[in-house]
Amino acid sequence: DTGVSQDPRHKITKRGQNVTFRCDPISEHNRLYWYRQTLGQGPEFLTYFQNEAQLEKSRLLSDRFSAERPKGSFSTLEIQRTEQGDSAMYLCASSLGRQSPQQYFGPGTRLTVT
Amino acid sequence: AQTVTQSQPEMSVQEAETVTLSCTYDTSESNYYLFWYKQPPSRQMILVIRQEAYKQQNATENRFSVNFQKAAKSFSLKISDSQLGDTAMYFCAFMKHEYRETSGSRLTFGEGTQLTVNP
Repeated sequence: DTGVSQDPRHKITKRGQNVTFRCDPISEHNRLYWYRQTLGQGPEFLTYFQNEAQLEKSRLLSDRFSAERPKGSFSTLEIQRTEQGDSAMYLCASSLGRQSPQQYFGPGTRLTVT
Repeated sequence: AQTVTQSQPEMSVQEAETVTLSCTYDTSESNYYLFWYKQPPSRQMILVIRQEAYKQQNATENRFSVNFQKAAKSFSLKISDSQLGDTAMYFCAFMKHEYRETSGSRLTFGEGTQLTVNP
């Protein structure tokens, strides 16, 4: 399977703990995106990378959130000092970019903060 | 800023029949892309169909077709010969056209329509 993969699929953590999620995009895709989806809603954009450069961040991405894509391949999303409001599905997507803009999504990481 | 509105939270259809899901959007952009994504229960988001705003011809993909009305800012999805496997949440999404390589390509999603196909 050469689709977008995410790890872990589920994460339960206590409030105040730090969590890190990983996304592996489709191998030839240079664009990688993070979205957050709460129950019954559409995904909301968080940030995106072109290769290793983080080109845009949403206002939803507070100071407690940080994302990296160190070698332009996989990406990590870290949430520090988690809050109950961080409970959501975190989706990763990748694309070829401007010439082929459709984004392909991974299965998501469901975060539950207790 | 762009907004996408899906006014039908839930819809149902009998197997083999046709159903149309509605989507409207608001933008000041003249060139953009519109997408329909499908999210089955507990499964990942799948691209159903894509439409470029500069193309007058409506996109089709097998049993899925769209009715794109640019002036009305409307983008509906028609599913013909509905199948049980079409049961899913359907999201309409908007993306600006990128005039530069780094001008941004976020998707803006609607709230979704839960479609149930009944046997």
